[in-house]
Amino acid sequence: NAGVTQTPKFRVLKTGQSMTLLCAQDMNHEYMYWYRQDPGMGLRLIHYSVGEGTTAKGEVPDGYNVSRLKKQNFLLGLESAAPSQTSVYFCASRASGVSYEQYFGPGTRLTVT
Amino acid sequence: EDKVVQSPLSLVVHEGDTVTLNCSYEVTNFRSLLWYKQEKKAPTFLFMLTSSGIEKKSGRLSSILDKKELSSILNITATQTGDSAIYLCAGPGGNYGGATNKLIFGTGTLLAVQP
Repeated sequence: NAGVTQTPKFRVLKTGQSMTLLCAQDMNHEYMYWYRQDPGMGLRLIHYSVGEGTTAKGEVPDGYNVSRLKKQNFLLGLESAAPSQTSVYFCASRASGVSYEQYFGPGTRLTVT
Repeated sequence: EDKVVQSPLSLVVHEGDTVTLNCSYEVTNFRSLLWYKQEKKAPTFLFMLTSSGIEKKSGRLSSILDKKELSSILNITATQTGDSAIYLCAGPGGNYGGATNKLIFGTGTLLAVQP
């Protein structure tokens, strides 16, 4: 099992450019999440999904869009990148049920200049 | 507002020392509390605590929950340089609907273990 994988690992964008980050999980998990991590801020939830075809806003959704067309994939889009979106992005997934344990991908380091 | 607060923010110790990391939480309808270790990349799961007063242990790491004080501690005994990491505490919650589906993370404690 690969667990949770993220593509790409690193990316540099210019202000105004767009990109899509891909998250894939092979554990048949219902729930998937996108976080950003900035120094001193911990992990902040951007968007999440509780199942195929569903998405919902998290704590910091502005400037991002998501889609979950297939259960195993969760895409995070930046339509017009801004320097404030420079961050490390983590995807996570979790099975439905009583355990709240989330499994994390290796992260994508994004720099917007 | 649901909140998880960790202390200290950072800590430097020498190999062999024992450390205690703290987590306090204010979440609506407490369910459980989780600890993660983050080295250079992704956070990895350590413990999930649901019942007050019951210690969970894994090697030199242990954790316990105090529901009355709304807090948890993570202990690491006989620290090694490989314990250097950010330790994150999290609880299910959130003020934006579907609180059971999300984790609220603290800002983490950065632990540095010197040889």
